[in-house]
Amino acid sequence: SQQGEEDPQALSIQEGENATMNCSYKTSINNLQWYRQNSGRGLVHLILIRSNEREKHSGRLRVTLDTSKKSSSLLITASRAADTASYFCAPTQAGTALIFGKGTTLSVSS
Amino acid sequence: DGGITQSPKYLFRKEGQNVTLSCEQNLNHDAMYWYRQDPGQGLRLIYYSQIVNDFQKGDIAEGYSVSREKKESFPLTVTSAQKNPTAFYLCASSIQGATSYTFGSGTRLTVV
Repeated sequence: SQQGEEDPQALSIQEGENATMNCSYKTSINNLQWYRQNSGRGLVHLILIRSNEREKHSGRLRVTLDTSKKSSSLLITASRAADTASYFCAPTQAGTALIFGKGTTLSVSS
Repeated sequence: DGGITQSPKYLFRKEGQNVTLSCEQNLNHDAMYWYRQDPGQGLRLIYYSQIVNDFQKGDIAEGYSVSREKKESFPLTVTSAQKNPTAFYLCASSIQGATSYTFGSGTRLTVV
């Protein structure tokens, strides 16, 4: 198992702005996943990008993956107050459990 | 509706007592996991099970025990040997392989 490192640790933006958070990891992966956690709740799966994909979209989410740099980014466009949460990346290898880092805490103010 | 249920939502324990946290899923998932989260921290893996009657230690298994007698259930016991048990505990499940996890809503354990 390996842990992703999210950056920045905290991000504050206004509603309507875009939010970008990054993830770095150390070894080869099968895929990379992003999760969201609202305060005091469980994690919710947002999107999975496979190691042979470079970019993936889901609604207002855009994820990129650069396996040569061992990094990924999550872009949330036109942020809303409801996007306020912590975001975690999870580099995934088959047969091992996911390990989560400290995440990026996003605050969207209206 | 399919999902994963953790109970209770809040739990208070006296020092020196064992306590068991429940985790049940009806998603027909093979694998189940327990994580611990401390304030401002990420999730740390306690135990996981990929099949019934088998489980593996995670990074912080000391002071915890689990069982996996049924596919649907993966209870976690926090023993008196766990020095600092106050935390938020999350259970998750997944199908086998490098797939997404479904999380429960968590149990907040406080030692009083």
